[in-house]
Amino acid sequence: AQSVTQLDSQVPVFEEAPVELRCNYSSSVSVYLFWYVQYPNQGLQLLLKYLSGSTLVESINGFEAEFNKSQTSFHLRKPSVHISDTAEYFCAVRSPRQGAQKLVFGQGTRLTINP
Amino acid sequence: DVKVTQSSRYLVKRTGEKVFLECVQDMDHENMFWYRQDPGLGLRLIYFSYDVKMKEKGDIPEGYSVSREKKERFSLILESASTNQTSMYLCASSFGQGAREQYFGPGTRLTVT
Repeated sequence: AQSVTQLDSQVPVFEEAPVELRCNYSSSVSVYLFWYVQYPNQGLQLLLKYLSGSTLVESINGFEAEFNKSQTSFHLRKPSVHISDTAEYFCAVRSPRQGAQKLVFGQGTRLTINP
Repeated sequence: DVKVTQSSRYLVKRTGEKVFLECVQDMDHENMFWYRQDPGLGLRLIYFSYDVKMKEKGDIPEGYSVSREKKERFSLILESASTNQTSMYLCASSFGQGAREQYFGPGTRLTVT
């Protein structure tokens, strides 16, 4: 069975500081990896995903995540955060097996940006 | 734009009531999902459906049932609501096979008193 662990439940940072949100997964097979973001009072939106190929994936708003197979990690980073990045971030994993549509989510990390 | 709508943003029900949560998507997606979201636990899958009238149990189906009579609509039913079902309920949909992203509705915050 697959599982996802987000190591920090809350991460407070100052505006324009760098941030890293950590995600580790466990799976005996290859996986697809996702980061979703939930802004206050909204549903989840896909931020970025890793399917195959380059291990570094980027989002349109400056976030990036690196797939590390040996460490079974998919940490999310941003070099300089903005107040508007305040949200809860969820890491998720899915099997690439045909027909498997289930996502397994981590516990979430609440990112708070202080001015 | 894909739109997933949920019938209520906030709902308050009494213990023992039958509760219906409705979800509608407008993009002809085959797959639909119901999750509950609780602090510190992330999202947990209750039920999902990959076609009309088809359903599969997720990780926490106890106390819930679902109905999918039309492709665009997926209903979550709490047969007899209990206080431990107080939670945020999120509906999602996705298209077909492959690594398709799931599109989420805004959520229904259900309080059972």
